[in-house]
Amino acid sequence: QLQLQESGPGLVKPSETLALTCTVSGGSISTNRYHWGWLRQPPGKGLEYFGSIYYSGTTHYNPSLKSRVTISIDTSRNHFSLTLTSVTAADTAMYYCAGERGRTGLFDYWGQGSLVIVSS
Amino acid sequence: DIQMTQSPSSLSASVGDRVTIPCRASQNIDTFLHWYQQKPGKAPKLLIYSVSTLQNGVPSRFSGSGSGTDFTLTISSLQPEDFATYYCQQSYSSGYTFGQGTKLENK
Repeated sequence: QLQLQESGPGLVKPSETLALTCTVSGGSISTNRYHWGWLRQPPGKGLEYFGSIYYSGTTHYNPSLKSRVTISIDTSRNHFSLTLTSVTAADTAMYYCAGERGRTGLFDYWGQGSLVIVSS
Repeated sequence: DIQMTQSPSSLSASVGDRVTIPCRASQNIDTFLHWYQQKPGKAPKLLIYSVSTLQNGVPSRFSGSGSGTDFTLTISSLQPEDFATYYCQQSYSSGYTFGQGTKLENK
């Protein structure tokens, strides 16, 4: 059973870069069964998808958010990462990493979430 | 972007009720429509995919229907553990989008 765990700072200053890492356990990140994705959920709101990465490094980004987002992967450490540049208060949210079945949009596995607050 | 609309944002029901939760897409998404359940403080959980296929372990009281732009999640007989927020999601376009959710509350 795959388990995902987000890690990173809970507080980021406006205009700075948000960086989160998701560590995968219970299996290898270098599997052809899953892509690895990032999503977020602002307080009291719905879910927003950033993009996904395959173990080969191939990325798929949500065109609406692509300009500030980078997703990377480190197969030697079994983890993948999200960076979001030039953050504002609107980026305050619970950030989730997730395992996407193939490239289907089906998120079978989720981390518990990491709350990031953007504030000076 | 494909917009996913869920209305109402909340729904009151009682244990044993039959509940239907609607979802509408801003354009035709064929059968690329999925449903997630989220309980407070927890990550979403995939419930139904491709309109009507139940994820492993999901009780048969849950079902999904629809095609094109209009979809429905149905709970045939509401159980106490079903009070949660339900989100629809499309994967027709690569920029997957979710509805704003329908919160199922105890009447």
